[in-house]
Order: sequence, then C-alpha cells, then structure tokens
Amino acid sequence: QLQLQESGPGLVKPSETLSLSCGVSGGSLSSSSFYWGWIRQSPGKGLEWIGSSYYSGSTYYTYDNPSLKSRVVISVDTSKTRFSLKLSSVTAADTAVYYCVRGHARGSYHMDVWGKGTTVTVSS
Amino acid sequence: EIVLTQSPATLSLSPGERVTLSCRASQNVLTYLAWYQQKPGQAPRLLIYDASNRATGVPARFSGSGSGTDFTLTISSLEPEDFAVYFCQQRDNWPLTFGGGTKVEIK
Repeated sequence: QLQLQESGPGLVKPSETLSLSCGVSGGSLSSSSFYWGWIRQSPGKGLEWIGSSYYSGSTYYTYDNPSLKSRVVISVDTSKTRFSLKLSSVTAADTAVYYCVRGHARGSYHMDVWGKGTTVTVSS
Repeated sequence: EIVLTQSPATLSLSPGERVTLSCRASQNVLTYLAWYQQKPGQAPRLLIYDASNRATGVPARFSGSGSGTDFTLTISSLEPEDFAVYFCQQRDNWPLTFGGGTKVEIK
C-alpha cells in the first residue's frame, strides 16, 4: 500500500526558501496514471492546492494565488522515490500544514493518498 | 478559475440523522467532483470521486450525486465517527480547487 511522508524544517525565517520533501514507499512514482502534488492548510482554514507534477516532468501550479505561483517549484525524482516542494521568499502567510498527495490523472483528479502533513511556521 | 461554494458552513446534528451537504460550482464541471472528510489533526480522506463513486473502504452510508454545477454528499445515518469537516474538490481543468468546507458537529 502506497504511503507518503513529508519531511523538512518546521520553522523557516521570513524571506528564506521553504524546502519540503515527500518520500514514497510501497509504490512507484513512475506511472502516468497519477500525479504528485502539494496541498496546504493555514490554521483554521480550508485546503489550498499549490501544484502538481507528473513523473514526466509536466507541472501545474495554482494561479488562484499569483503570489504563490511565482514562488513555487515542484519536482519529481523517480530514482529516489520522492518529490519535492520549494517555496521561495516565504512570509507569515505561508505558515500552514503542508500535505503531499497522490492524485489520479483522470476524472475528478481526486487525491486518494495523503501524507500525514507537516507543520511549517514562518517566523524570525 | 472555478469557485466551489459549500453550504451550509456548519450543521449541528445528532447521531442517526440523515445529512445532506451541498457543493455548488461556478461553472460546469461535468462529474469531475470529489469529496473528502477531515477530522481534527488528521489529513483529509477521500470519500467520493467522479461525483458518485465511493473510494475504497468508504462505508455505504456515504453517497454522492450531482453533475454540472450542483452536487450533494449524503450520509444516510450519522455515526459518531462522521462528525468532521467535509470538503469538495473539482477538476474541470487546472487549477484544482476546493470548497470552503462544511463542518458537521454534534448537536
């Protein structure tokens, strides 16, 4: 059974780059049937899709939040069975729980596997 | 970008009651809609995909319906473990978007 596990610093200083990694176990990243993505949830708020990537390298980012889109890079490393999120120039508004997900690349593009989430606080 | 509006924001109900949650899309999303359940301190869990298909392991008391712009998640009889927040999510095209959520709380 596929499992995902986020890893990365829990505290990041303003203006620095947040780097998170998602380790994949029990399965492979190399399938065109799925995409690999990141979702975040600010304290007491709803879910915000950040972006997604296929193992082929195609990536899609949110444009609902232009500030977020211009700062995000998502990449997939099939050889290391992990994918990553880099978010540059962070501010307090980026404080959130970050989830990595596996999504199905068909139909509703639903996300059936979620990591447990990692809390990231942006503070000096 | 497609906006999903969930209503009501909060529902106060008792175990055993029937629940109907609404999700309305600002544009036609065909049947490209999913539902998730989230409990405090946990990641969301997929319940329904493609508007009406139950995900693996989801109890039969959960059902989804709708197409186009209006969707419903129904819980036929609330169990104690069903008190949670429910989100809908659409994919007509990128970007994916989520609704704001409906909290089902114990009355």
